[in-house]
Formats: sequence, structure tokens, C-alpha cells
Amino acid sequence: ETGVTQTPRHLVMGMTNKKSLKCEQHLGHNAMYWYKQSAKKPLELMFVYNFKEQTENNSVPSRFSPECPNSSHLFLHLHTLQPEDSALYLCASSQEGTSGSNEQFFGPGTRLTVL
Amino acid sequence: GQNIDQPTEMTATEGAIVQINCTYQTSGFNGLFWYQQHAGEAPTFLSYNVLDGLEEKGRFSSFLSRSKGYSYLLLKELQMKDSASYLCAVMDSNYQLIWGAGTKLIIKP
Repeated sequence: ETGVTQTPRHLVMGMTNKKSLKCEQHLGHNAMYWYKQSAKKPLELMFVYNFKEQTENNSVPSRFSPECPNSSHLFLHLHTLQPEDSALYLCASSQEGTSGSNEQFFGPGTRLTVL
Repeated sequence: GQNIDQPTEMTATEGAIVQINCTYQTSGFNGLFWYQQHAGEAPTFLSYNVLDGLEEKGRFSSFLSRSKGYSYLLLKELQMKDSASYLCAVMDSNYQLIWGAGTKLIIKP
């Protein structure tokens, strides 16, 4: 257990569905991240929230919509996805603005399959 | 552009030593991380190097040469549970992590 939880762990959805991924961190961190992990490819940073403010949006298609209601919770809302969006979606958190490594702590991920 | 290179897959024998290399080209440098990821699980933090040299932590050690843009992760006394993917990541000048594609390490008895 890393202190970061994600639900659901697995999700199968059609291209016309709307679903949401949820992430919660119990570490008191001030930054949260969404990553996409596809087989044999580097982790792709999608969104960064620092103190609940979105600081990064790496050219992610609008069919992915993040929401950060507070510093402990992060959502990723999905709608009209494409089959190529099938991947493992990882949430992470870290404590920014302090000395040290500021390593990121990851949740177990949501395995998403788009049919 | 920014780039992290590491071997796709390596095989080693239980009880042996293995070295996983990582080379990087990034805009700025604020540290290099190694993570371990077992299949179907979250990546977990292994090490952080920001200064040149070797950092030892039990059976695992990580080395950094900033002038060469090079790091390695050294795993000693390999155990079957060390079978996993090992991810190298560099924090750039914007404090963003740039990730390698990971090295899948297979341990054989």
C-alpha cells in the first residue's frame, strides 16, 4: 500500500459511454498527477494539479476531463473514448516545494479497455 | 527533444548481479529516479540521485554521472521477486518527470 488508492481497478466501456476514474491520496501531499501507461511505452503525463490548481495539461484530448475538488481527491472523467485510449491509467501524488527528492507515490492504476 | 533510453528486457539468474543502464538527454536536470513496477501493480520508488556517485540501499545501488547523462541500477543477490520492470525517470528544469519505457527484468532459477 502506497497511500494512494484508485477505483475502479478495471473498466470496460464502449465508445459512447461516460465514466469517471477516482483517485484518493492519504499522504497529505499537495500535488496529484494522472498518467497514461501503454505497453512498452514511457509513462505519459496527462495532468498535474498543484494545490488544487491545474498546472499541466500535456495536449490531452478533450475527451479526458480532470477534476480536483480538494488536495486529496482527483477524478478523470471520460467520454466518447477511442479504442487507442485503452491503457493503464495511473494516479500519483507528491509533496512539492520541499527539499528532498519529492518522489511520486503511485496508485495501483485503472486498467481501461475501450471497445 | 527529451529522451530517456534503457534496454527493453534483460534476463539474469537467481543469486547473480545485474546492472540496468539508463541514458538521458533532457532540458535541465533536477535528479534521476528509479522505480520498480511488478506486473499489474503500481510503480514503487527505489532510489533518487541528484549528485554524481553511487547510492547504496541494501541489495540495490544506483549510480549517476551527470556529465555523461548516464545512470545505472545495480541489483545484487537476485531473488525471484525481483522480476519486474524497472523505470528510469529524470526530473527536468520544469520539475517534470521524463520517463523511460522501462526495462523488464526476468529472473531465472
